[in-house]
Amino acid sequence: SQTIHQWPATLVQPVGSPLSLECTVEGTSNPNLYWYRQAAGRGLQLLFYSVGIGQISSEVPQNLSASRPQDRQFILSSKKLLLSDSGFYLCALGGEVVNTEAFFGQGTRLTVV
Amino acid sequence: DQQVKQNSPSLSVQEGRISILNCDYTNSMFDYFLWYKKYPAEGPTFLISISSIKDKNEDGRFTVFLNKSAKHLSLHIVPSQPGDSAVYFCAASRGAQKLVFGQGTRLTINP
Repeated sequence: SQTIHQWPATLVQPVGSPLSLECTVEGTSNPNLYWYRQAAGRGLQLLFYSVGIGQISSEVPQNLSASRPQDRQFILSSKKLLLSDSGFYLCALGGEVVNTEAFFGQGTRLTVV
Repeated sequence: DQQVKQNSPSLSVQEGRISILNCDYTNSMFDYFLWYKKYPAEGPTFLISISSIKDKNEDGRFTVFLNKSAKHLSLHIVPSQPGDSAVYFCAASRGAQKLVFGQGTRLTINP
């Protein structure tokens, strides 16, 4: 069965510091992977999605970047965090066939101070 | 451009009654719709879905209704239970494309 691992669960970082959040999946190959952010009082905003190694699509202009160095690894990064980057970040694994649900990791609560 | 909208940020329902969560969408090309449930500090979990070729899908206490002409879907929970208290997100997709989520509705079930 498919599983998705996301870490760390919580993170407090100072403004201007770098960020690296890692997501790995098991039980599937060549998955579609997504990074979402849930900011306070807002819904789930799609940040990046990837359909394969090295293939990244950005949904919104922002201070973040994503990389997919391996088939089952998806990384969210920033060189210098802003206060506005605080939020709950979720990695998601797309369904194996068309029109199936996506599976979410447990999320990372990022607080930039 | 918010393609999927949940206009009610919160909803309170008495235990045992019916909870109705609503969702509207603007893209007529969406062909698959889903509801997710999210507890604090956890990732969303899939609840129920419906294809655009149907107008109703039922799973236990949960039923999703789709009105394509109105571009509207709703989630009915009956009877509502305290464990149903959570944030509910509706989502839509077109083919194999990415899910687009609404803003979420916080459902509180009162004893």
